[in-house]
Amino acid sequence: DAKTTQPPSMDCAEGRAANLPCNHSTISGNEYVYWYRQIHSQGPQYIIHGLKNNETNEMASLIITEDRKSSTLILPHATLRDTAVYYCIVRVSTGGGNKLTFGTGTQLKVEL
Amino acid sequence: DGGITQSPKYLFRKEGQNVTLSCEQNLNHDAMYWYRQDPGQGLRLIYYSQIVNDFQKGDIAEGYSVSREKKESFPLTVTSAQKNPTAFYLCASSMNFATDTQYFGPGTRLTVL
Repeated sequence: DAKTTQPPSMDCAEGRAANLPCNHSTISGNEYVYWYRQIHSQGPQYIIHGLKNNETNEMASLIITEDRKSSTLILPHATLRDTAVYYCIVRVSTGGGNKLTFGTGTQLKVEL
Repeated sequence: DGGITQSPKYLFRKEGQNVTLSCEQNLNHDAMYWYRQDPGQGLRLIYYSQIVNDFQKGDIAEGYSVSREKKESFPLTVTSAQKNPTAFYLCASSMNFATDTQYFGPGTRLTVL
């Protein structure tokens, strides 16, 4: 299984871009990188996912390096409501399956 | 509204009692999942179901049981055999098991006294 490494915590000023890094050096060619976030005592919220190319949606942008060994989630204009734990996950294929392995993530704190 | 519902949000039980956690989805998703989260930890997979009337053990299935008699429902029973049942339980679903994004419910916090 490809594992991910994330910093345990980060701070960001409100209105600034939050750049959350993730290392996944053992990722396989057909494994996607997924990002979720979890606000305290709530269920995880899907943010974005990608395979090779950079992706953008209404919530965030995902930048994946050319060798796919790392990625960065970008929240372009962070707000206080973006304070949460952010999980970078490589989706494991197990016999064609869809198992997500969650680590401990990055606690992002957005401050005034 | 479409989504995944879990009830209740908070649940208290005495030690030695079985308890069943509800998970319902109206997204017409084939696959459903149960995860457990302990304080400061990531999520761990308990059971998953690829399709109605089918389910498989995840990484930490001991002390838990599930059923999938209806597409929209995937209840989880925490039995008295589960040694440390106090945790935050999360249900998720996806359109299919092979490739699709999982979406999560709000969770149930179970406390065993």
